[in-house]
This record gives sequence, C-alpha cells and structure tokens, in this order.
Amino acid sequence: EAQVTQNPRYLITVTGKKLTVTCSQNMNHEYMSWYRQDPGLGLRQIYYSMNVEVTDKGDVPEGYKVSRKEKRNFPLILESPSPNQTSLYFCASSLYGGSYEQYFGPGTRLTVT
Amino acid sequence: QKEVEQNSGPLSVPEGAIASLNCTYSDRGSQSFFWYRQYSGKSPELIMSIYSNGDKEDGRFTAQLNKASQYVSLLIRDSQPSDSATYLCAVKGTGRRALTFGSGTRLQVQP
Repeated sequence: EAQVTQNPRYLITVTGKKLTVTCSQNMNHEYMSWYRQDPGLGLRQIYYSMNVEVTDKGDVPEGYKVSRKEKRNFPLILESPSPNQTSLYFCASSLYGGSYEQYFGPGTRLTVT
Repeated sequence: QKEVEQNSGPLSVPEGAIASLNCTYSDRGSQSFFWYRQYSGKSPELIMSIYSNGDKEDGRFTAQLNKASQYVSLLIRDSQPSDSATYLCAVKGTGRRALTFGSGTRLQVQP
C-alpha cells in the first residue's frame, strides 16, 4: 500500500529535550516536506526536500532541522523544543518537485511542556 | 493580506444541496491550485487539482478557476453528511517550490 508514515503519532515532552519525528514514504517520491498545523493559522511549511541531500527552508524553519540521507526518509529534528512548538505536524511527499499533488502522513501531535 | 484566503465558516448546507467553497489568492502568477479535504483529527487528502481557467469536474466535485479574478472555488453537488470536513485551498505561487495553504473552510452537511 502506498503511504507516508510518521512516528510517533503522539508525543509529550519537556522543554529542551531533543526529539526526532520520523517520516517515511514508500512511493519513491523525490519531494518531501514538513508542515505544522495550528488553529487559525492553517498549514505552514517548515522545511522541504527536492531530493536526497537537497533541503531548503519553508516559511517557519526556526527551531527545526531536517536531513535527507535516503530518498524514502525525511526526519524532523527539534534540538531544543519549546512550548511554542506544540502543534500538529504533518509530513508529505509528492512524485517530484514540479508535482504538488502531495500525499500526507497521518500526523504527529506534539506537546512541549 | 494573507496569500491564500478562505472563509473559515462553518458553512452549513442541507443534505442534497450544493456546497460552494471559495478561495482567493494574492500571487497573480500562481499556476497550480489544489483542494484538500481534512476530517477532524486526520491528515489532508487531495480531492481536486486545477491548472487552467474554467471548470474541472470529478464525480460530485467541480473545481472552478478564474485567474483574472484570482479565485478558485470548489462545488460539491448532492452534499452528504460524510462531506462534513474542513476544505483547504492550496496554491503554488511563482518562484516557490512549495504550496501555500489557506486556513480552511469548515463544511457542515445537515442530514
């Protein structure tokens, strides 16, 4: 089954404790992206990757890191989480950078206390 | 001004009616437009894409694009309670390798 998976689905952590949210797709997509979704603000892009080893900032990259060492994986790293990073996070992928018909993972609900 | 604007709703329609959802965008050079449906607590799901002026139909869904007026709309015919969700408009602007999403319109279909 073609899908985008994320882990964990739910996470409660404390300020400053480094965490990683994993994202994996099995569709051989080149383009992958991370979004956060907050009430009233909609989906905002954090980082995206056009292909392996090619990443770039989205609209709200502060406090986040990403890497793309393999085509299928695109982890999101919060090195020192803060309460304002409490949000619902989605990973998405699309066939290539010019195709923006994106497929979303199930989401990760993160709470930072 | 937001880059992509949608009325947050809720838009309430009776079962069987036509639901009309609207979206305006600020980047006149935008070329690609998408509608996603998001059920509460779930991830967005692509339901329509449109790239040229006019109408595009897929089952009960019709996307309409008017680049001159910078709006895109989604019509849902014969609305069903299962259509109750938040509908997100997404636009690819010029010079961007990313989509910009509106904050969504919540649709409620009353049985």
